[in-house]
Amino acid sequence: NAGVMQNPRHLVRRRGQEARLRCSPMKGHSHVYWYRQLPEEGLKFMVYLQKENIIDESGMPKERFSAEFPKEGPSILRIQQVVRGDSAAYFCASSAVVGTSYEQYFGPGTRLTVT
Amino acid sequence: DQQVKQNSPSLSVQEGRISILNCDYTNSMFDYFLWYKKYPAEGPTFLISISSIKDKNEDGRFTVFLNKSAKHLSLHIVPSQPGDSAVYFCAASAQTGANNLFFGTGTRLTVIP
Repeated sequence: NAGVMQNPRHLVRRRGQEARLRCSPMKGHSHVYWYRQLPEEGLKFMVYLQKENIIDESGMPKERFSAEFPKEGPSILRIQQVVRGDSAAYFCASSAVVGTSYEQYFGPGTRLTVT
Repeated sequence: DQQVKQNSPSLSVQEGRISILNCDYTNSMFDYFLWYKKYPAEGPTFLISISSIKDKNEDGRFTVFLNKSAKHLSLHIVPSQPGDSAVYFCAASAQTGANNLFFGTGTRLTVIP
């Protein structure tokens, strides 16, 4: 049973380019979360999605960032016109209803480097 | 505003001894707490969780204790093994099982053989 898949694992972009990060949740999971980890910091929540719906995007920067989780295919985190400050590890997690607790299971992350 | 705090950035313990990792939180609305373990270049791995209706949850060598009045939780690992060396993150959420987690900054545990 495959875990949460993320690709690419490493992504290098020049300032001003677009970055697209993909996440395939665990089989049977319909909740997807994106987190960002800056160097020497903990993970910071960005957005929570269910299929075709953004449930909570309170952690998303107001500009240049968007996320989707279509009916078919992976969830996508899109960063337009990247800047050096976007360099970070981006983690996707998924969860399913298990009783009353939703443990989130994380993918290996995408390390974005903006040059 | 860091709502979940892990004040010890690192901890070293001898193999076979107990490791105690601490976590404090400020938001009294948090009612579900989790511990994750992270190796370099990998995603966090879920270890153990506890709901606010409990004060202790045990799973093998791992036990999590919750003190709601002090807004404090701790993870005990006994006996510690070299393979436990990793960064441990405490996380909390404001609704049982719901959406976003608030993470601490992590504690790097080194178990010395």
